[in-house]
Amino acid sequence: GDSVTQMEGPVTLSEEAFLTINCTYTATGYPSLFWYVQYPGEGLQLLLKATKADDKGSNKGFEATYRKETTSFHLEKGSVQVSDSAVYFCALSDGLRYNFNKFYFGSGTKLNVKP
Amino acid sequence: ETGVTQTPRHLVMGMTNKKSLKCEQHLGHNAMYWYKQSAKKPLELMFVYNFKEQTENNSVPSRFSPECPNSSHLFLHLHTLQPEDSALYLCASSHGILGSGRSEDTQYFGPGTRLTVL
Repeated sequence: GDSVTQMEGPVTLSEEAFLTINCTYTATGYPSLFWYVQYPGEGLQLLLKATKADDKGSNKGFEATYRKETTSFHLEKGSVQVSDSAVYFCALSDGLRYNFNKFYFGSGTKLNVKP
Repeated sequence: ETGVTQTPRHLVMGMTNKKSLKCEQHLGHNAMYWYKQSAKKPLELMFVYNFKEQTENNSVPSRFSPECPNSSHLFLHLHTLQPEDSALYLCASSHGILGSGRSEDTQYFGPGTRLTVL
């Protein structure tokens, strides 16, 4: 079945460091891929998405490219800030086998950015 | 972000109480979802409503009872809960398509209700 695997955390970086959070997926159809971010005490916020192979999603300096050949959707940012400290979730959606858009979420990766 | 609101934000209840969680979306969507987020566990889909019809019940115990009176409102009625039901309950909405899914259909989440069962 469909699933998402993302790197375990926590990830601790210094401010202005380069960030990579790995995400790989398994899917039988043609899913869309998403990154969500959850700040303490809040719900999940959409960070970026890509709906087909080779698409690049980007937002607020974060980027991820939908790589069908490696079944990956790694999240990157060139220079992290303290305010980026949060939990990041990779997700895929499968709208073909159900009568609603079913999401599969990774387990989340906590990012701590130190000043 | 006020597209999806949830009340209350925090709830403490005893095992014999009855309470309800409310979710409202202001995005003009037709699909609404309840998720449970527990510490150290992946996000769990509980219920899905698409155009006010329940299309998914992910083997959720009957002590959780959803209600969707219209496309903008979703409730989760709680009764005789157990301490292991303590979690963050998240509501989400998406455009939805009648009778089918579409993988690009993004889900937008509310801030959640932090539930503690004593």
